Amino acid sequence: AQSVTQLGSHVSVSEGALVLLRCNYSSSVPPYLFWYVQYPNQGLQLLLKYTSAATLVKGINGFEAEFKKSETSFHLTKPSAHMSDAAEYFCAVSPSGTYKYIFGTGTRLKVLA
Amino acid sequence: ETGVTQSPTHLIKTRGQQVTLRCSSQSGHNTVSWYQQALGQGPQFIFQYYREEENGRGNFPPRFSGLQFPNYSSELNVNALELDDSALYLCASSLAGVNTGELFFGEGSRLTVL
Repeated sequence: AQSVTQLGSHVSVSEGALVLLRCNYSSSVPPYLFWYVQYPNQGLQLLLKYTSAATLVKGINGFEAEFKKSETSFHLTKPSAHMSDAAEYFCAVSPSGTYKYIFGTGTRLKVLA
Repeated sequence: ETGVTQSPTHLIKTRGQQVTLRCSSQSGHNTVSWYQQALGQGPQFIFQYYREEENGRGNFPPRFSGLQFPNYSSELNVNALELDDSALYLCASSLAGVNTGELFFGEGSRLTVL
């Protein structure tokens, strides 16, 4: 069975500091992995995706993530946080791009001035 | 390019009632998925529709049902509402055959059951 674990339901960083949001997955088949962002009262917007090509994936708004098979991780990073990055972030796995996404419970990012 | 649109955005129902939520998929997309997002949780897969047929279902009871129309729009119906059905219901569209698995989400319909 596939699953996703996001460590830390709340993360606070200072503006300009490194953002690191953690995601570990389990999957019995090669997974597709995604990071989505959700702003208050809005739907989910795709930040980036891993689909078995390059292991370092660059997304929108300066975010990137690295697929590490040995660690079953897909952590999201951004070198310098901006106030506008405050939102909830969800990691999701889709076994080989099948229809069913399995989401983590989310990490709420707070950016301090 | 028209994105995924959902209606209504908010609604309040009482326990035992029935509700219908609607979704128009993104232009060119032929597959629609529905997710339930309870407060403080990640979205959970309800089901997916492709070519007007259910194409996979999550762990939801039969009182959750859906439809897809020839124009690829979709409805989610929930009968005999329970308090735990209070959640944000998200519709997502995609294009079958494009094996990137990417879903495009609408802004959701927030259902409150009293």
